[in-house]
Amino acid sequence: NAGVTQTPKFQVLKTGQSMTLQCAQDMNHEYMSWYRQDPGMGLRLIHYSVGAGITDQGEVPNGYNVSRSTTEDFPLRLLSAAPSQTSVYFCASSQPGSNQPQHFGDGTRLSIL
Amino acid sequence: AQKVTQAQTEISVVEKEDVTLDCVYETRDTTYYLFWYKQPPSGELVFLIRRNSFDEQNEISGRYSWNFQKSTSSFNFTITASQVVDSAVYFCALLSNDYKLSFGAGTTVTVRA
Repeated sequence: NAGVTQTPKFQVLKTGQSMTLQCAQDMNHEYMSWYRQDPGMGLRLIHYSVGAGITDQGEVPNGYNVSRSTTEDFPLRLLSAAPSQTSVYFCASSQPGSNQPQHFGDGTRLSIL
Repeated sequence: AQKVTQAQTEISVVEKEDVTLDCVYETRDTTYYLFWYKQPPSGELVFLIRRNSFDEQNEISGRYSWNFQKSTSSFNFTITASQVVDSAVYFCALLSNDYKLSFGAGTTVTVRA
């Protein structure tokens, strides 16, 4: 089982460039989310989706866009990359219901120069 | 708003010692879920345990045990007879009714042989 797949695993961008981080899951999970992990700050929620066509902002949404056209995919777009967006990004999915653990992808390490 | 505090930034122990990781949370929700995740040096996030707000029973799984005390809003995690393979960053997280998962800053555990 593939689970949650994130691509790419590593990426270096220049300030001002745009990029899309891909996330796909094959478990038919309705709930998907994006987090960024920075040293000493744990994981912070960027955007999340409770189903196809529905997205909402998390704790740190500025500078990021998302869309959810299918159940399987939840891409994260950086419109104009900034050095402050250098981080490790994790995508997660789960079954409906607050009691279900989230399944995480392996992460994307993004550096903005 | 939810908040999860892991007061210990780093813990270093010698193999076979016990180690307890503290987690204190804040929420206004009456129903919520608490999680522990492990992040080994390889970087992936591994789900360890889920606990709902109505179940205050302690749980033991092998060398791992969890103590949930609603009266003090704490969900502490103990590793008994630690091993080098337990070296990782451990995150406590709180899931609210609106599907938002809030993480603590993490505790880095180093087990020395």
